[in-house]
This record gives sequence, C-alpha cells and structure tokens, in this order.
Amino acid sequence: NFMLTQPHSVSESPGKTVTISCTRSSGSIASNYVQWYQQRPGSSPTTMIYEDNQRPSGVPDRFSGSIDSSSNSASLTISGLKTEDEADYYCQSYDSSNRGVFGGGTKLTVL
Amino acid sequence: QVQLQESGPGLVKPSETLSLTCTVSGGSISSYYWNWIRQSPGMGLEWIGYIYYSGSTDYNPSLKSRVTISVDTSKNQFSLKLSSVTAADTAVYYCARDRTGRNWFDPWGQGTLVTVSS
Repeated sequence: NFMLTQPHSVSESPGKTVTISCTRSSGSIASNYVQWYQQRPGSSPTTMIYEDNQRPSGVPDRFSGSIDSSSNSASLTISGLKTEDEADYYCQSYDSSNRGVFGGGTKLTVL
Repeated sequence: QVQLQESGPGLVKPSETLSLTCTVSGGSISSYYWNWIRQSPGMGLEWIGYIYYSGSTDYNPSLKSRVTISVDTSKNQFSLKLSSVTAADTAVYYCARDRTGRNWFDPWGQGTLVTVSS
C-alpha cells in the first residue's frame, strides 16, 4: 500500500498564508480523492476539504485544496491566518479497495 | 443531522478482546459505509476498517487478523471487536460515516479512550 507524508510542523504569522503538503509514496495522487481534516486538542477531526478541493458548508474560503501530479502531492492552503487556525491537520486518501490511508499529521502554529 | 456516539469499556486487559459500539442517531444506518478509526496518544490517525450497511467489510491489513466489524440495522448500530490486545492498542477510538463512499469521513463520533492495562 502507499503512504502519505506530511511535514511534522509548520508555523506562520497571523494574516499570512501557509501551505501544508501531503506526498503520496506510490501510485498517482490523482487516482483517489484527498481529504483534509482539522483536529484541535481534545476534539474529533472535522473536514476542511473533501474530494481534493471541495469545501463543506461552513468552512471559510480561506481554506483551499489542490493536487499536483508533477510532485504527486496534495496541498492545503490557508490564507489570512488566524490564531484559531492553530491545530493539527491530516490529509487522507484511500486505495483501490477503498481502504483509508492517513498522513502523519502536521501541527500548525500561528504565532 | 446525523450524530455518532461510541460506547464501551474504557479499560481492557492485555490479551483480551476490545469491544465498542457506535450508535447512529438522526439518520438511518441503512446506507453508507461506516468506519472505525483510532488515534494512539499523541500520535496520528489510523484507519481500522469499514462495514457497509449490507454487511460487507474490509480492514486495515495490519490489523485484519484481529478485527471484526459488524452491523445491527435494527438498532442503528455498528460494532468493533479487536482481539488479543496489547498496550499498543491503547488509543482513542472513533467511529465515522463515509459520506460519499469515497472515504470522506463525516461526521465523526466524539471518540472514546480505551486503555489496555492489567
């Protein structure tokens, strides 16, 4: 099976833009949709992006998702950073049998 | 608004079987794929497996020999059994609905901590 690799941590200042990458180890990133979840301490994950670039209702348009076949990776971009965006972010996809695969998670610090 | 709630013992002895139930409210379980996901303390998320309402299942290959997921449509519940547990199975266990059949997990339950210890 494949793995999804994320940076362990990223940090940026309020008001700036940050991008979190998620690289697929084998097989095409475009083969299966990628989701992005936000998890605050003590809470369950919530969806920020589904199906590569779709935002659920209620998620601010400061959050966007994309995939890049040349680097075989997906990205979550957060613009106009707010302190409330500080959280762990997980990318997630699935294999040809619909078995889920999560990235290791990225801790976003807004300082 | 569909809601999920995990329930079960918070403490399990090594070598025994962990058993959890997820109760679905606000909607019928008779559609969608229903999943179990866990998170070890301070660690990332690990997909355990799913069950379709009809009863078909699939599991994470790393856990497959120890996992059983079942569904009770009459109670709007699905369940997880993990056998021969060790301390490495200590985790918060979440249930979640696959909203699209393509691994979009939404919503999630609040999670329940299961500790494996004698």
